[in-house]
Parts: sequence; structure tokens; C-alpha cells
Amino acid sequence: GIQVEQSPPDLILQEGANSTLRCNFSDSVNNLQWFHQNPWGQLINLFYIPSGTKQNGRLSATTVATERYSLLYISSSQTTDSGVYFCAVSPGGFKTIFGAGTRLFVKA
Amino acid sequence: EPEVTQTPSHQVTQMGQEVILRCVPISNHLYFYWYRQILGQKVEFLVSFYNNEISEKSEIFDDQFSVERPDGSNFTLKIRSTKLEDSAMYFCAAGGLAQTQYFGPGTRLLVL
Repeated sequence: GIQVEQSPPDLILQEGANSTLRCNFSDSVNNLQWFHQNPWGQLINLFYIPSGTKQNGRLSATTVATERYSLLYISSSQTTDSGVYFCAVSPGGFKTIFGAGTRLFVKA
Repeated sequence: EPEVTQTPSHQVTQMGQEVILRCVPISNHLYFYWYRQILGQKVEFLVSFYNNEISEKSEIFDDQFSVERPDGSNFTLKIRSTKLEDSAMYFCAAGGLAQTQYFGPGTRLLVL
């Protein structure tokens, strides 16, 4: 089955710093989403981005489907950005495969 | 953001007991999903549901699991005879095929 790899696995930032999270996937997909899991466990959808670039405030994402990767950019990080960031893909059909996540901690 | 609700928020049960987890998805969405997340691990797909039937399921979703939408609003996941390894957070999601999925807050299940 399709493999989803996220890097880095862990990231510590000083408040105000920028970061880039990466998601590689091993096969073509028709759906790619980025989620933030906050410290209370809730999964918040950040982007639906099977291809192209989107921006939402301090966050932006780019997916290059032909090269099988997606990037999530966080600018001017805040302590509330802490949590786990998941990339999730659907190779076709209904099944969604999550990566192992990037655990982010932003220090004040 | 559209809201998906789940009840209960926490459930503790004895091994071998049946549990039913409930979800109220967004009314205008047609595709519903259940996922689980064992503590500290990644989110795993269990099953998708469309047009009152299972559209796809994972290898985790064995005969101990079932889903239904009994009244057109609630969407339930039943575990017939719980095992210790069923302890996890269970998430319901609603959305569309090849569209954004909106997740509920989850039910934390502990099997003793």
C-alpha cells in the first residue's frame, strides 16, 4: 500500500521562527490534507490540497503531485501552534492514510 | 468550521462488553468515516460509509466492528466484544469523496 512519510518527526521552535514540514508519499493520490492535532487531541483540518499552493494566514501549503510531496509552511510561529501536524492522503477510493506526524513545540 | 459531534467523550468498559460510539455528522455531507488513534500513534482509517452502506474498510475493521446510520442523522460504531487493544481515541469524520474531511472531537475508549 501507499507509504506516507513525514519529516522531521520532532521540531522545537522559538516563538516567532518559521518552519517547513514535509510529507512524501509513495504513489499518486487524489486527495491530500494537512491536519493539526492540538494538545487536547482534536484534529483540525488545515488544508485540502491535492495539488498547487494555498495560504491561510500564517500557514501555507504546497503540493507537487507529480513529485509526490507536500510542504506545510508555518511563519511567525506562536505557542498555540504546538501540537502534532499530520499529512493524510487518499490514493483513490475512500481510504485515507495518515503519516506518523511531526510533533511541534513552540517555546515562548 | 462545520461541526461534527461525538458522544460520549470518554467511555470505560470491561473486556468482552459491547460499546456503541455515536456521531452526529454535518447534515449536508454524504460521506462518513471512523478512525482510531492508539495513544501516541498515528491516526488509522477504519471504515467509510456512503448511501447507507460501507464503501470501504480497513483490515482493522473485522467482524467485531459494525457501523450504521439508524435514523438518518446519528452515525454509530459498535464494537461487539471489546478487547484490551481496542483502547484508543475513536474519531468520526464527515466530508466528501476527494474533499475536506471534518473531524469530531473523538471518544476516548478505555477497555479494562
